[in-house]
Amino acid sequence: EIVLTQSPATLSLSPGERATLSCRASQSVSSYLAWYQQKPGQAPRLLIYDASNRATGIPARFSGSGSGTDFTLTISSLEPEDFTVYYCQQRSNWPSITFGQGTRLEIK
Amino acid sequence: QVQLVQSGAEVKKPGASVKVSCKVSGYTLTELSMHWVRQAPGKGLEWMGGFDPEDGETIYAQKFQGRVTMTEDTSTDTAYMELNSLRSEDTAVYYCATDAFIVGATLIHDGFDIWGQGTMVTVSS
Repeated sequence: EIVLTQSPATLSLSPGERATLSCRASQSVSSYLAWYQQKPGQAPRLLIYDASNRATGIPARFSGSGSGTDFTLTISSLEPEDFTVYYCQQRSNWPSITFGQGTRLEIK
Repeated sequence: QVQLVQSGAEVKKPGASVKVSCKVSGYTLTELSMHWVRQAPGKGLEWMGGFDPEDGETIYAQKFQGRVTMTEDTSTDTAYMELNSLRSEDTAVYYCATDAFIVGATLIHDGFDIWGQGTMVTVSS
């Protein structure tokens, strides 16, 4: 099973700052990595798929990069609504998939 | 536009079974890859299993092998997830979600962009 490790577990930043979230895979997942945002009481929301493709309706301040084992989600300028939890997910041996454990983005 | 509507909350006793439904509208179930993901209170997302519409096979996470069954009723475009031998650790919100669909003869992957609203399953004596 491919294990995804997200870091940091918690990231404390202020609105307007740049956020960089990391996801590392235990083995190569090529570009088959997605990012999700989840707010309390809601289902996850797809942000990025296949490492760098923004999903429909996702603001341009969200971007994804990486390939192989190291991936990054960048939020260029944090808005108040961005402070929540983010997950990465891989599909390199689809339909089997795994999620990372999550990064909590909190207001400093 | 694809929509997924799940059945309502359930309360079960340890050792019982639960069956959660996920009704698809806006697309044909057999042309979707349907997965089930759960989330225990305050915890992360945990993948349980998913369906490959190209070969008709369902793959389960090793953790749930032998205890979970995912089925589809194509006449009503409804997917089901049944979990047996429930224990307190199974208390969670259970989501159905789709991450791929068939267009023509091509399977298109676009991430889990469509989710059900979630079904809370509580296991308690």
